[in-house]
Amino acid sequence: SYELTQPPSVSVSPGQTATITCSGDILDYKYVCWYQQRAGQSPVLVIYEDDKRPSGIPERFSGSNSGKSATLIISGTQPVDEADYYCQVWHASARVFGTGTKVSVL
Amino acid sequence: QAQLQESGPGVVKPSQTLSLTCNVSGGSLNSENYYWSWIRQPPGKGLEWIGHIYYSGSTYYNPSLKSRIIISLDMSKSQFSLKVHSVTVADTAVYFCARDSGYDQKGGMDVWGQGTPVTVSS
Repeated sequence: SYELTQPPSVSVSPGQTATITCSGDILDYKYVCWYQQRAGQSPVLVIYEDDKRPSGIPERFSGSNSGKSATLIISGTQPVDEADYYCQVWHASARVFGTGTKVSVL
Repeated sequence: QAQLQESGPGVVKPSQTLSLTCNVSGGSLNSENYYWSWIRQPPGKGLEWIGHIYYSGSTYYNPSLKSRIIISLDMSKSQFSLKVHSVTVADTAVYFCARDSGYDQKGGMDVWGQGTPVTVSS
């Protein structure tokens, strides 16, 4: 089965940049989505097609995909960005989620 | 804007069948632009994609669950449903339904329900 690996946790100070990685085989041949899930809430799509933001998602969220790793960057991180973040791709007509990263804003 | 709402039993006994429904409002299931998906999240764990259904009735399932699940569509009620057979405690999770714009494998799941908790317990 296809696997996507993320760091379990990332800590960032308010106003600083948070970087979350997502690693998997031939990832550069796939489009990556990213989801934010605040505690007790449903996930929210923050990035699709590697680097596109849905309407309503702040500009401080950006994404990239190259080589075997995709990256979600939160610039000028705010306390409201504290959440779990999941990457996701298509593989063999099925959706696959990454292991998830807890972002703590300290 | 489409809204999705899950409904289900809350508690299911081991070996029985779990049945959940997702009601879709403000949008149509009869669109070639979307898949209609189920995702679950065990307590304290990550997200697991269960499967999805297209407006044509075509389905795609997580290989690890494929033998036990069925997703179906009821256009007249604007609902789609999930059945999980022979449940065990490992099926205890919050179950989400979502609209998936990834028909071209580019978009993401852009509308989610609030989730419904399911506990498998005797």
